[in-house]
Amino acid sequence: QVHLVQSGAEVKTPGSSVKISCKASGGTLNSFPISWVRQAPGQGLEWMGGIIPVYDTLKYAQKFQGRVTINTDESASTAYLALNSLTSEDTAVYYCARVPGAYCSGECFVDPFDIWGQGTMVTVSS
Amino acid sequence: SYVLTQPPSVSVAPGQTARITCGGNNIASKGVHWYQRKPGQAPVLVVSHDYDRPSGIPERFSGSNSGNTATLTISRVEDGDEADYYCQVWDSSTEVVVFGGGTKLTVL
Repeated sequence: QVHLVQSGAEVKTPGSSVKISCKASGGTLNSFPISWVRQAPGQGLEWMGGIIPVYDTLKYAQKFQGRVTINTDESASTAYLALNSLTSEDTAVYYCARVPGAYCSGECFVDPFDIWGQGTMVTVSS
Repeated sequence: SYVLTQPPSVSVAPGQTARITCGGNNIASKGVHWYQRKPGQAPVLVVSHDYDRPSGIPERFSGSNSGNTATLTISRVEDGDEADYYCQVWDSSTEVVVFGGGTKLTVL
């Protein structure tokens, strides 16, 4: 059974940074192209960025470019999300999720997020 | 940027059929995925690539996609279906994942 296990809840002050981990069990990260999705209180799901199959490179939502870093440690089967210059608007549950594959036929079609981590609550408060 | 529009809420009585729409420009040209999210839980994929149902998802969940509207249909709605539902696509022109705003399904 494949699982994604995330690190625990974080409480941060405005202006600081946070780093969340997502460890894959039951497989290596090579078979786990990981994206990060967050949900703020009362808001919808928001994709932040991740590795997209077919492109085999990191893609970021424009909103977070310059403020977010996504990387992986293959030897530890762990992906990381780092977000800096935190504000209260970054208070949210952060999820890692797997995109198993994609194909291109003219336009590219990317698989859905089929496996999700349990979520990490990040609270930004002074 | 590509925008997906969902109704904020849909209400249905138990045993009836719920239809949740997801509007986008020529959305029929994209593969639409649907997720169910219950409070305190991670999202669960219920329909992929417009109409495929993942293993373990009841046959009551189905999807369609035509023109500018994709639809998630839940037949014979049960109390346990009460949740928020999100549609999602990959926009290859801007190379980003796009989520709809979500629809809260209330079972009366």
